Amino acid sequence: GAGVSQTPSNKVTEKGKYVELRCDPISGHTALYWYRQSLGQGPEFLIYFQGTGAADDSGLPNDRFFAVRPEGSVSTLKIQRTERGDSAVYLCASSLTLQETQYFGPGTRLLVL
Amino acid sequence: KNEVEQSPQNLTAQEGEFITINCSYSVGISALHWLQQHPGGGIVSLFMLSSGKKKHGRLIATINIQEKHSSLHITASHPRDSAVYICAVRFSGGGADGLTFGKGTHLIIQP
Repeated sequence: GAGVSQTPSNKVTEKGKYVELRCDPISGHTALYWYRQSLGQGPEFLIYFQGTGAADDSGLPNDRFFAVRPEGSVSTLKIQRTERGDSAVYLCASSLTLQETQYFGPGTRLLVL
Repeated sequence: KNEVEQSPQNLTAQEGEFITINCSYSVGISALHWLQQHPGGGIVSLFMLSSGKKKHGRLIATINIQEKHSSLHITASHPRDSAVYICAVRFSGGGADGLTFGKGTHLIIQP
């Protein structure tokens, strides 16, 4: 079956612009996670959704970052007033429930110039 | 602070060697994951464990809850095993619901 998909695969933007990154989880997975991976580092947790609600957003670095999952499936990570330090690979993962194996998408590589 | 430490950071070995990658963490966990990431590629989950030992093909993962330590072993290593191996945990006791990751071990298996 289809795995986790993310679009776009690459995004180049200018400092100060707004970007949206999309994640399509595996069908039926209620848990969805966003992570960020900077070059040479392990991923860092951003936010976790259980169904439509953000159950844990403790990893979001500041209020420029926001994520939604309005129908409990597709999720969008939104970054306002992008900064060069936001450049990273943004990873999405989904699992059946919180305690199950997470399946990762290919990531969106964001470059802020 | 809840932390995950991996060692070694880099490992180069010859084809056929037995490989061990270590992971230690600072406080109690509900689950530990071993993940594989190829250069430019996505992340694949290898194991999720909360106790004991799991085996899949040439890969073996063990965890010692009391010692707060896990190991990933690769038997009869092959150049296609070359990748970054990442340990990640979900801390228990009110920590974040997402995983906390180690920095990864960059493994190169030479033919």
